[in-house]
Amino acid sequence: SQKIEQNSEALNIQEGKTATLTCNYTNYSPAYLQWYRQDPGRGPVFLLLIRENEKEKRKERLKVTFDTTLKQSLFHITASQPADSATYLCALELDSNYQLIWGAGTKLIIKP
Amino acid sequence: KAGVTQTPRYLIKTRGQQVTLSCSPISGHRSVSWYQQTPGQGLQFLFEYFSETQRNKGNFPGRFSGRQFSNSRSEMNVSTLELGDSALYLCASSPGTLYNEQFFGPGTRLTVL
Repeated sequence: SQKIEQNSEALNIQEGKTATLTCNYTNYSPAYLQWYRQDPGRGPVFLLLIRENEKEKRKERLKVTFDTTLKQSLFHITASQPADSATYLCALELDSNYQLIWGAGTKLIIKP
Repeated sequence: KAGVTQTPRYLIKTRGQQVTLSCSPISGHRSVSWYQQTPGQGLQFLFEYFSETQRNKGNFPGRFSGRQFSNSRSEMNVSTLELGDSALYLCASSPGTLYNEQFFGPGTRLTVL
């Protein structure tokens, strides 16, 4: 069965440093992958989408990579700020049927 | 554009009761997906509706059902509530084609006592 793994432990990063979050998947080949941010008590908010034929995508301080050989996506936040503290979720498209499956998320804590 | 709205925001029910949750998508969006979120479990997909038809369904028991109306508004219903149904229920709307981002509502927090 399909499986997505994100680091279940919280990631503590010093302000100003680069935070790197990992999303690993097994048993299938998604056409694209998305990253979302979720704050406590709120719905997730879309950040970036990367397609299978793209190696890297950037948006302001955010960068996502997608390695279909390793079956892994890395999500980077450069020059991190305390306001970046949140849970970050990755989601993968399942079999071109418009359905996403989700990782459990990684809690990121940026310390001043 | 107004965002996705969900009502009610909070709900307390007792075991055995049923509940109906409502979701109004962003104007022009034809797809509405429903998710259950519990601590440590991440987002579990319930079902997705597109143009009033259920297009995808997750692995939830038949007690969980939904529908979509011609104006794309959607409802989900949970019958015979169990304690384990306590969760944040999120709906998300999108245009409904591939490579679309999902726009989430604030969720309905359901507590079953």
